[in-house]
Amino acid sequence: GAGVSQSPSNKVTEKGKDVELRCDPISGHTALYWYRQSLGQGLEFLIYFQGNSAPDKSGLPSDRFSAERTGGSVSTLTIQRTQQEDSAVYLCASSLYAGSLSGNTIYFGEGSWLTVV
Amino acid sequence: DQQVKQNSPSLSVQEGRISILNCDYTNSMFDYFLWYKKYPAEGPTFLISISSIKDKNEDGRFTVFLNKSAKHLSLHIVPSQPGDSAVYFCAASASNTGNQFYFGTGTSLTVIP
Repeated sequence: GAGVSQSPSNKVTEKGKDVELRCDPISGHTALYWYRQSLGQGLEFLIYFQGNSAPDKSGLPSDRFSAERTGGSVSTLTIQRTQQEDSAVYLCASSLYAGSLSGNTIYFGEGSWLTVV
Repeated sequence: DQQVKQNSPSLSVQEGRISILNCDYTNSMFDYFLWYKKYPAEGPTFLISISSIKDKNEDGRFTVFLNKSAKHLSLHIVPSQPGDSAVYFCAASASNTGNQFYFGTGTSLTVIP
């Protein structure tokens, strides 16, 4: 697609339920990132994928959070037994390749707004 | 541990004047820096980047300056326009940090007409 696509755009869920957030990166981008932004906070790194593997999972807040990527394309972020503190906007981004080579830009989706009630 | 810091949560500037947004980092291995702009209810959009081999990069009204010895970068917008009102994030990356991008907490810029 033309840009990074995320779904759902908005999700309200009850505490304790599981949610899945989907990200469809820009075609041909090998690197995919998940960030989250809580109200009044900056962008918090969660996880990134290079191809289908996740070299860095250090940002996942707890074992309730998991992510996978299949076929080097679509990624799903799953939050189990949601808690109110999980309420945030979850942003997906992709880039042509991972890393700090000059010219490598990461492009963000519109985000999935999660509210846990 | 916040490796990229934006110490000013907000900034107000008159239209036509210069906006200067600052960013500090702690990891001397960072070698690539980016600035993003974010409007409410939208994802961040890329503005400008700079590699550590340079100390300045310019694109239209936007210029990024990098001071490696001070571990400091800044974004200059001149002249500022009301449409520039948004939250600005700086980000940094280095190959030895797992290739992820570290973001600051953002600075909310308001350009007053």
